[in-house]
Amino acid sequence: GENVEQHPSTLSVQEGDSAVIKCTYSDSASNYFPWYKQELGKRPQLIIDIRSNVGEKKDQRIAVTLNKTAKHFSLHITETQPEDSAVYFCAATSSFRDNYGQNFVFGPGTRLSVLP
Amino acid sequence: GAVVSQHPSRVICKSGTSVKIECRSLDFQATTMFWYRQFPKQSLMLMATSNEGSKATYEQGVEKDKFLINHASLTLSTLTVTSAHPEDSSFYICSANTGGGQPQHFGDGTRLSIL
Repeated sequence: GENVEQHPSTLSVQEGDSAVIKCTYSDSASNYFPWYKQELGKRPQLIIDIRSNVGEKKDQRIAVTLNKTAKHFSLHITETQPEDSAVYFCAATSSFRDNYGQNFVFGPGTRLSVLP
Repeated sequence: GAVVSQHPSRVICKSGTSVKIECRSLDFQATTMFWYRQFPKQSLMLMATSNEGSKATYEQGVEKDKFLINHASLTLSTLTVTSAHPEDSSFYICSANTGGGQPQHFGDGTRLSIL
């Protein structure tokens, strides 16, 4: 089955600096990779996603890159702000898999702290 | 769009009580809903996948007689924790999506505390 690893587990950056979180996956059939942000005690919220037919996607200060050959994808946050502090989860799934009894496979999470 | 509502948000009850949690997709039809359990400072652990009109698929190690799942319609799935004990205390969260390879949208979660 799919296995998703995520690094680092914790990350502290100064406000205004960039933050990068990297995930690796094992199943070459995975073709959809979302990123979720979860603030303490709240629901995970989708912040950006990427499909296997593109290598990079950007939305304002957030970008995701995908390297299918190496089976890794990364979240990039530029000009970090204190409100970016949260736990970030990556996930991997296949459009052919997730509605047949198997789900997104989530990484263990990265706790990002943006220091003012 | 794609709003998932989960109730109740917080439950505190005595050991031995059964607790029902509802998960509703408000503005879309969810063929599949997912139930997760999340321990403090840990990732989301999938418990079961709930398909409308059929039996839920449980992950290894999750007792189906303990965690009853019903997905009676395309907009509602329920999780019942039967005869709950203190070790069942956790944050339970549901999600739903509209099909394969689509984003999952999460409910607000239910914090269950068993005394």
